[in-house]
Amino acid sequence: GQSLEQPSEVTAVEGAIVQINCTYQTSGFYGLSWYQQHDGGAPTFLSYNGLDGLEETGRFSSFLSRSDSYGYLLLQELQMKDSASYFCAVRETGFQKLVFGTGTRLLVSP
Amino acid sequence: DGGITQSPKYLFRKEGQNVTLSCEQNLNHDAMYWYRQDPGQGLRLIYYSQIVNDFQKGDIAEGYSVSREKKESFPLTVTSAQKNPTAFYLCASSKTQGRTGELFFGEGSRLTVL
Repeated sequence: GQSLEQPSEVTAVEGAIVQINCTYQTSGFYGLSWYQQHDGGAPTFLSYNGLDGLEETGRFSSFLSRSDSYGYLLLQELQMKDSASYFCAVRETGFQKLVFGTGTRLLVSP
Repeated sequence: DGGITQSPKYLFRKEGQNVTLSCEQNLNHDAMYWYRQDPGQGLRLIYYSQIVNDFQKGDIAEGYSVSREKKESFPLTVTSAQKNPTAFYLCASSKTQGRTGELFFGEGSRLTVL
């Protein structure tokens, strides 16, 4: 079966660094994506890891360890606007069909 | 600007009625998807289509139907057979292949059954 686990909620203050973990068990694995969703809005793509290691995009970085079936999203220099839900998603096949985790709600306080 | 347009944004329906949610994209993507999102939960795949005139069931297809007669359009019908249709529905598109794992989402349609 498919299983992606994320913490349900994380809190942090402005300027801090936060890490959101994702562990997965899926029938196939081509890569791990991360999406951000503000309340009531559309999910937007943040990053993708097809290979082990760290991918950096500005303040956001994402890491993947295929051997551990584990990844994380690292958010640095947190801003209030980063308060949102963050979803990891596994790409199980060569096609782009994704399986999403249940999401982590990040609350950034002043 | 290229993107995905979903309509209506909000929809109310009585029990026993079918409703159709519209999804149009001008990104020239071959693949399109419908996901359902319930409060505090992740996205669950309803149907997806890799090319015109072809579509496959996702994880929760029961009570839903789709068509893909044009590359740009992938409407979703929520039928009266769907036992709990109140949810936020998201349409997405992507390139068929590639290494990015990136989907482009519309702004969603929120369906409430009265």
